[in-house]
Amino acid sequence: QVQLVESGGGVVQPGRSLRLSCAASGFIFSDHAMHWVRQAPGKGLEWVAVLSHDEDNIYYADSVKGRFTISRDNSKNTLFLQMNSLRGEDTAVYFCARDANDLGDSHFDHWGQGTLVTVSS
Amino acid sequence: DIQMTQSPSSVSASVGDRVTITCRASQDIGSWLAWYQQTPGKAPKLLIYAASNLQGGVPSRFSGGGSGTEFTLTISSLQPEDFATYYCQQANSFPRTFGQGTKVEIK
Repeated sequence: QVQLVESGGGVVQPGRSLRLSCAASGFIFSDHAMHWVRQAPGKGLEWVAVLSHDEDNIYYADSVKGRFTISRDNSKNTLFLQMNSLRGEDTAVYFCARDANDLGDSHFDHWGQGTLVTVSS
Repeated sequence: DIQMTQSPSSVSASVGDRVTITCRASQDIGSWLAWYQQTPGKAPKLLIYAASNLQGGVPSRFSGGGSGTEFTLTISSLQPEDFATYYCQQANSFPRTFGQGTKVEIK
């Protein structure tokens, strides 16, 4: 069965960096685009970034553009989110989600359980 | 960016009730709409995609409708496990945007 397992969350000071990982299994990882979605404590869902199966198409939310970088290693079935210059408003649970298609232009049919990032001094 | 607005923000209902949630898009998104269910502490779960297609394994009491700018999610007979927060999301363009959520609570 499809499994997505995020890791790398934790407590980090403002201005510092953190790298999240999402390990995928149970499907052909290189056939699907992948997304990051976040949820601040007690708030709704906010889409963060998408990366197509072949890394040709990348989009970011304006709130993270220039600070976050999405990447993937298809040989290791892993998605990454490099987060630099972190701010308090980046505090959230970060979910990775599988796109039903390869280009990232469809719905999110599977989600990981999330990893909590807390930005605080 | 496309704004997604859900109504109501919360609804109190009893087991067996019929519940309908509305989602409005700020511009025409065709049928590029998905609905997700989230229970506290858990990841969202896909219920409906392309406005009206039921995801595999989702009970048939869930249904979706609409196109263009107005969409609905209907639960025909509310069950105890359906008390959760529901989100709509447009898949028409980037950035992807979600509605603010509708919390279905026990009356």
